[in-house]
Amino acid sequence: EVHLLESGGGLVQPGGSLRLSCAASGFSFSDYAMAWVRQAPGKGLEWVSAIGYSGDETYYADSVKGRFTISRDNSKNTVSLQMINLRADDTARYYCVKDLYVRLTRGSFDRWGQGSLVTVS
Amino acid sequence: DIQMTQSPSSLSAAVGDRVTITCQASQDIRIHLNWYQQKLGQAPKLLIYDASKLETGVPSRFSGSGSGTHFTFTISTLHPEDFATYYCQQYDRLFTFGPGTKVEIK
Repeated sequence: EVHLLESGGGLVQPGGSLRLSCAASGFSFSDYAMAWVRQAPGKGLEWVSAIGYSGDETYYADSVKGRFTISRDNSKNTVSLQMINLRADDTARYYCVKDLYVRLTRGSFDRWGQGSLVTVS
Repeated sequence: DIQMTQSPSSLSAAVGDRVTITCQASQDIRIHLNWYQQKLGQAPKLLIYDASKLETGVPSRFSGSGSGTHFTFTISTLHPEDFATYYCQQYDRLFTFGPGTKVEIK
């Protein structure tokens, strides 16, 4: 069974930094693109960032470009999101998600973690 | 950037009803559209991908159709466990979610 377990969330002051991690299990991690999707309290879903299966390609939403960096370690089955210069509007639950297709960054997110809450205040 | 709109933003329906939600893209996204269900306090769940393909394990009462800029999501017969918020999402150029449609109990 696929499991995605996020960690690293918490309370941070505006302008601060935080690093989220996601530990994956139950599938061939190195064969799938991964992404982060966030949801502000009471709001809808917003895609944040994605990384290809090998780590060679990365993508960012305009709202986080230049402040967030996605990375992965296929030897440890982890994907991370380094966040700097955090703002109040970054406050959200951050979900680690897996792409549906093998070796494609397709953007159909078929597995989701339970999320990690980031509060910027 | 591709913008996604959904209508209605919310609806009230009874168990057994047929429910239809529409999603519109600001430009042609071919069939690159997904539908997700999110229940209160839970992570979203992929229901439909490539506009009309049913994800494994998803009941056949859920269906999707459309291409280009106009898409439709239908629940043929509403079950009690279907009360949730539904999101469309494009993946033609990066990824954008619609604002969601909340399906409430009438």
